[in-house]
Amino acid sequence: EAGVVQSPRYKIIEKKQPVAFWCNPISGHNTLYWYRQNLGQGPELLIRYENEEAVDDSQLPKDRFSAERLKGVDSTLKIQPAELGDSAVYLCASSLRTGARSSAFFGQGTRLTVV
Amino acid sequence: TQLLEQSPQFLSIQEGENLTVYCNSSSVFSSLQWYRQEPGEGPVLLVTVVTGGEVKKLKRLTFQFGDARKDSSLHITAAQPGDTGLYLCAGDNAGGTSYGKLTFGQGTILTVHP
Repeated sequence: EAGVVQSPRYKIIEKKQPVAFWCNPISGHNTLYWYRQNLGQGPELLIRYENEEAVDDSQLPKDRFSAERLKGVDSTLKIQPAELGDSAVYLCASSLRTGARSSAFFGQGTRLTVV
Repeated sequence: TQLLEQSPQFLSIQEGENLTVYCNSSSVFSSLQWYRQEPGEGPVLLVTVVTGGEVKKLKRLTFQFGDARKDSSLHITAAQPGDTGLYLCAGDNAGGTSYGKLTFGQGTILTVHP
């Protein structure tokens, strides 16, 4: 079974430019997460979807970040315009809750460098 | 304020030594997960614990969920260089807020020297 697929793996852009990341979750997983991770630290949640509904986007910087999951399957995360401080690894994860258990599975991430 | 506090933040040991990583919170979680992450890769799920007091073993790794479901520990016996990585704990549904709301600790960077 295919895992969570993210693209691109790496992206280098100049500040003020737009950038987009794509994620295809594990088939059948209704919950999709976007996290941002700085080097050597834990992931920080940007947005969480339950099917196509964004149920938690309190940490998403809405002035420049946007996300969508139109058909409740794959998702895109966009930054426009990018700032130097946006350099990080952007991780996508998906999960399927069974009872009290929600185990998230991650993609390999997209490493963004803003110069 | 970090919802989940991991300690230690850094751990550098010799091959063959034992170690324990702690994950503590003042919130009750419905489940807690441990992940291991290598450079350039996403976190890989090691285990999910659900029941207070639960102990799970994965080869040389032993995971324990606290009786009150507020804390957890990861113990590695006879560490090997291949255990090197970033270890992350993540709690779900803190304080009964929302299932699927995963909150991560800041991670423990483990280096095992040959």
